[in-house]
Amino acid sequence: DAGITQSPRHKVTETGTPVTLRCHQTENHRYMYWYRQDPGHGLRLIHYSYGVKDTDKGEVSDGYSVSRSKTEDFLLTLESATSSQTSVYFCAISLTSGGSTDTQYFGPGTRLTVL
Amino acid sequence: AQSVTQPDIHITVSEGASLELRCNYSYGATPYLFWYVQSPGQGLQLLLKYFSGDTLVQGIKGFEAEFKRSQSSFNLRKPSVHWSDAAEYFCAVDNSNTGKLIFGQGTTLQVKP
Repeated sequence: DAGITQSPRHKVTETGTPVTLRCHQTENHRYMYWYRQDPGHGLRLIHYSYGVKDTDKGEVSDGYSVSRSKTEDFLLTLESATSSQTSVYFCAISLTSGGSTDTQYFGPGTRLTVL
Repeated sequence: AQSVTQPDIHITVSEGASLELRCNYSYGATPYLFWYVQSPGQGLQLLLKYFSGDTLVQGIKGFEAEFKRSQSSFNLRKPSVHWSDAAEYFCAVDNSNTGKLIFGQGTTLQVKP
């Protein structure tokens, strides 16, 4: 158990409202990731972080921003939610280096519905 | 563009039968390859990974996968499926050693009694 929690686990919101999802880890790992999962697309990387205040974009970053002010928390923000952002969002961490030789451990996911 | 293809969206096998899930990738060089499993309502769990060396990789839960460079494939196998193996399976690759994984679309496995 890599000690990853996500909050909220479920959220329903309306188009145009801001939404923040939280990923919290208890193990002080450096690398953290946000993915979205949609039918027919598998998981796609939104943003990732390689340390406090160090973040970078993934393949589907438009409409999302992230912040990491503490090692243990990685926040994903939808500034103005759209229906196309209805999805299941997963946070992941790498235990050591963040490279491909390291295993990524996934949180339980957040189901977001944008009406 | 880099891509990962899992040709089978849904597979049904009988309990005790053998299983093979297909994964093909499109890259210039040998990537790092992974198989993950997702049970309903859960996050993803790593089954196995390949970086180099022996092309037959053993994983957890009795799964194995074989890397075939000539076919750009990394197929997942299990000799005898159990009902608890019913889940969604994802193949993933990273050819840049950055930890930025690219996933296939997933294959849903149903196990018949």
